[in-house]
Amino acid sequence: GAVVSQHPSWVICKSGTSVKIECRSLDFQATTMFWYRQFPKQSLMLMATSNEGSKATYEQGVEKDKFLINHASLTLSTLTVTSAHPEDSSFYICSTDLSNYGYTFGSGTRLTVV
Amino acid sequence: DQQVKQNSPSLSVQEGRISILNCDYTNSMFDYFLWYKKYPAEGPTFLISISSIKDKNEDGRFTVFLNKSAKHLSLHIVPSQPGDSAVYFCAASALGGYQKVTFGTGTKLQVIP
Repeated sequence: GAVVSQHPSWVICKSGTSVKIECRSLDFQATTMFWYRQFPKQSLMLMATSNEGSKATYEQGVEKDKFLINHASLTLSTLTVTSAHPEDSSFYICSTDLSNYGYTFGSGTRLTVV
Repeated sequence: DQQVKQNSPSLSVQEGRISILNCDYTNSMFDYFLWYKKYPAEGPTFLISISSIKDKNEDGRFTVFLNKSAKHLSLHIVPSQPGDSAVYFCAASALGGYQKVTFGTGTKLQVIP
């Protein structure tokens, strides 16, 4: 089945630094990738939708300059958390929509900003 | 390796009838299970959860059943309503829900009026 590989699984960074999270689609092409922020025992918050070759669409309240999304190829989408702060600590997860074949989620990235 | 599996990509049910969505998992470390509901162009929203110390949790029309020995859980919706039409995700987590959540691929439910 379709697999989305997400890296890193966890990362600890210092406040003020930037962190890049990658999601790669293995054995299929993903024209669209969804990026979510995940809180314990709560809903996923859709942050943005990335489309290959065009600008990402951000949800209301999500800072575009802070959460940079790049979808330069059909197999790779990246989320960069710039100037990270402790309040950015969370799980981040990507997902793609394979229409009739369902959604495939990445394994998630736990970001801890110290 | 798909640790959370939803083998039915779609399900159609008549309004008023019961909808049963199934989910299987393979990781014995999972101890907290969640169901999410997703409408088009929105993120999945939390619906109901169950801890591994229970075998049933009920919230209004929604009931989740957990069979630990079979590593199987199901979501029952009774009675089904047209507004329930959405994609439903089964998800699992370890450490009481404070570890990352692993999702199934979803089941698209259509409730026919």
